[in-house]
Amino acid sequence: DAGITQSPRHKVTETGTPVTLRCHQTENHRYMYWYRQDPGHGLRLIHYSYGVKDTDKGEVSDGYSVSRSKTEDFLLTLESATSSQTSVYFCAISDAAGEETQYFGPGTRLLVL
Amino acid sequence: AQKITQTQPGMFVQEKEAVTLDCTYDTSDQSYGLFWYKQPSSGEMIFLIYQGSYDEQNATEGRYSLNFQKARKSANLVISASQLGDSAMYFCAMTPDSSYKLIFGSGTRLLVRP
Repeated sequence: DAGITQSPRHKVTETGTPVTLRCHQTENHRYMYWYRQDPGHGLRLIHYSYGVKDTDKGEVSDGYSVSRSKTEDFLLTLESATSSQTSVYFCAISDAAGEETQYFGPGTRLLVL
Repeated sequence: AQKITQTQPGMFVQEKEAVTLDCTYDTSDQSYGLFWYKQPSSGEMIFLIYQGSYDEQNATEGRYSLNFQKARKSANLVISASQLGDSAMYFCAMTPDSSYKLIFGSGTRLLVRP
């Protein structure tokens, strides 16, 4: 199994507060991704990174920012959490883009009250 | 538009029987990858199998095989000899040509009956 951890695994927060989720990998993979999973929508890409300090937006990036200062860490920040950001967040990694398999972390369940 | 369609929201199969989960995809790219992931009730996403668009042979991984029909744009997952532990959500996904993005279908919930 790919070495990917996410923290925290569960979080409850209040509307308007900032929240940071962390993804840590031990595989030295270049690409890292943040997805959210909601009922009826499957998984949707929020942001991705193709190297240290190199990031770009996915299809549902509004209200989120990311940072990658080290190969192994990819942070997702909800700048001011809203109830619509209640979701399960998955981090994924891959060694390349395109047809390279993405491996997923265990997920973070976030509840915004 | 690039899209994955899974038309079976839920399925039942008897233990030890084979089951096919349907997946069709839409892309105009010549090169793409097709994936299946399993999500058990515990929530993690587990990679099962991969098929490249130029692969001539259907992919196989243990009890999992991918029935790839390029002209029909279908990539069905076949699970042989179902086990109780196969009960889970199954997602079909695609990466278009040289893309970072993994496009997911809405999933099929499989329940294996003893």
